[in-house]
Amino acid sequence: QSALTQPASVSGSPGQSITISCTGTSRDIGAYNFVSWYQQHPGKAPQLLIYEVSNRPSGVSNRFSGSKSGNTASLTISGLQAEDEADYFCTSYSSTTYALFGGGTKLTVL
Amino acid sequence: QVQLQESGPGLVKPSQTLSLTCTVSGDSITSGPFYWSWIRQHPGKGLEWIGYMYYSGTTYYNPSLRSRVTISLDTSKNQFSLKVNSVTAADTAVYYCARDSAGSCQFDYWGQGTLVTVSS
Repeated sequence: QSALTQPASVSGSPGQSITISCTGTSRDIGAYNFVSWYQQHPGKAPQLLIYEVSNRPSGVSNRFSGSKSGNTASLTISGLQAEDEADYFCTSYSSTTYALFGGGTKLTVL
Repeated sequence: QVQLQESGPGLVKPSQTLSLTCTVSGDSITSGPFYWSWIRQHPGKGLEWIGYMYYSGTTYYNPSLRSRVTISLDTSKNQFSLKVNSVTAADTAVYYCARDSAGSCQFDYWGQGTLVTVSS
């Protein structure tokens, strides 16, 4: 099974907003509202940012938001900060694999 | 605060069995309803879900790895373990244990990860 598709890299300046897309199929993102997003700094474990498409765990900044349309989910980071520079992964429940991950997107804060 | 910590050999020879243990602190692995998962990350690549054991003992594995993977619980030690048989260089990765709190791919707690290299 193929991983979910994410852009390899995105960039933005401090204070700007960026959006990372995550494209799947009708067997995963399109079928279930079980999309999560994770932030991973180099050498560190991933941290949950968003679950069930648009919910934030306690302690996660409201600068992070999630949405979904059809087979594509999106993560938006507003008011970019230097500390947001990291890798971002999406995951979705899949009827064939349980959890399917995206390939990851490297965010560069210019 | 829930904490997870992986442990096990960092080097495994080809064709042998990779064995890792995840020690959970701050909560009981049988308190439920949690899905105790293993996830790996190949060097410089994305994440791959390996499988989970539900707190009640039910397991589910990634179909691509199902024939070689076993996940088990040791409730007396509050640990869960991963075994991967017949490893090759393609199994070289950082292995993470993680808790899925809702059975919806919501991995809310992760271990720090441990690098396992398959090499002779």
